[in-house]
Amino acid sequence: KAGVTQTPRYLIKTRGQQVTLSCSPISGHRSVSWYQQTPGQGLQFLFEYFSETQRNKGNFPGRFSGRQFSNSRSEMNVSTLELGDSALYLCASTLQPQNTEAFFGQGTRLTVV
Amino acid sequence: KNEVEQSPQNLTAQEGEFITINCSYSVGISALHWLQQHPGGGIVSLFMLSSGKKKHGRLIATINIQEKHSSLHITASHPRDSAVYICAVPNQGAQKLVFGQGTRLTINP
Repeated sequence: KAGVTQTPRYLIKTRGQQVTLSCSPISGHRSVSWYQQTPGQGLQFLFEYFSETQRNKGNFPGRFSGRQFSNSRSEMNVSTLELGDSALYLCASTLQPQNTEAFFGQGTRLTVV
Repeated sequence: KNEVEQSPQNLTAQEGEFITINCSYSVGISALHWLQQHPGGGIVSLFMLSSGKKKHGRLIATINIQEKHSSLHITASHPRDSAVYICAVPNQGAQKLVFGQGTRLTINP
């Protein structure tokens, strides 16, 4: 079966713009989590969605938001982009929210100039 | 919050060597993940384990729940094993997974 699909793979945006990233989980998986990876901070949790509801949120400003659709696909949005938002954004899907194996996508590499 | 420490941070070895990467965490967990990240960025889940040992090909992962410690071993290492290996544990609080800083492994031919 198909893996986790993230689109786009690469993105260049200008400061102040907004961006929307997409994640399609493995078929049947209902939980999607988003992570930001930067050289300085490593991998950090952004938020988790299950059954269209945000279950958990990491320590990120309100410019970072997300949602999940009825087909479990998820989007995350970053508004008013800052240079420091340049990072690899990864999503992971799991069958259930707790204690199940996480399958990661290839990530979206966002560059803010 | 669960703190995760990996060692070593960087490891360079010759092809064929036996590799060990260690992971320690501070708060009791029910399962631990080992992940592999290649230079392209994508992450692959290698193992999720809650006790004992798991083996996939040349990769072996062990965990000691009482000692809050896990190890990832690679037997007969190969240059294609060169990657960053990351361990991750669930957090007691709001976060889903807490990650170690990663171990950058380079296997020279």
